[in-house]
Amino acid sequence: GESVGLHLPTLSVQEGDNSIINCAYSNSASDYFIWYKQESGKGPQFIIDIRSNMDKRQGQRVTVLLNKTVKHLSLQIAATQPGDSAVYFCAETYDKIIFGKGTRLHILP
Amino acid sequence: GAVVSQHPSRVICKSGTSVKIECRSLDFQATTMFWYRQFPKKSLMLMATSNEGSKATYEQGVEKDKFLINHASLTLSTLTVTSAHPEDSSFYICSARVGGLGSPLHFGNGTRLTVT
Repeated sequence: GESVGLHLPTLSVQEGDNSIINCAYSNSASDYFIWYKQESGKGPQFIIDIRSNMDKRQGQRVTVLLNKTVKHLSLQIAATQPGDSAVYFCAETYDKIIFGKGTRLHILP
Repeated sequence: GAVVSQHPSRVICKSGTSVKIECRSLDFQATTMFWYRQFPKKSLMLMATSNEGSKATYEQGVEKDKFLINHASLTLSTLTVTSAHPEDSSFYICSARVGGLGSPLHFGNGTRLTVT
């Protein structure tokens, strides 16, 4: 089943603005978290990951924040571009990788 | 690196027939591969964990006689949907990881199965 959730099914963002996609996970024993991007008709693509001993990790234009107190994960995309349009999934790992329900990001011109 | 190839990308079959989907790790060896199923506008649901040289581990509610998994080598896992029915129509995606539990999965591009 889907133990990771809490999402906005759709998020619309103006091109050039920052996007923030949120996710809540359920298992306090999860120690590794991943954000994936999925474009239509394709498999998920790895974006960024974070381990439970960290609360922030930055990549190129993306930042992941982890709040273990409230079991919350977020993905921030800076200067959103048309190519960022996709569905974004968070995933938690304890003994296997379980996906959240996903958020579709729409970029407004 | 860490490329996972899945074949076929699309398949249409008639009810009652069986369909085999292949998942290959192209540039690394994968002792473990994972099969997911995805319905339209839904998340990925883990079906089973494929283990090289041993039996697959199925998630609760997934029929192992319906979804046969074979992982005969370190670079190939296959999923066979047996006696397919229209409700088996879905997007099936395989994945593998280079490292252990604390490393990301790399996904194939999925197989769109349509059962008529």
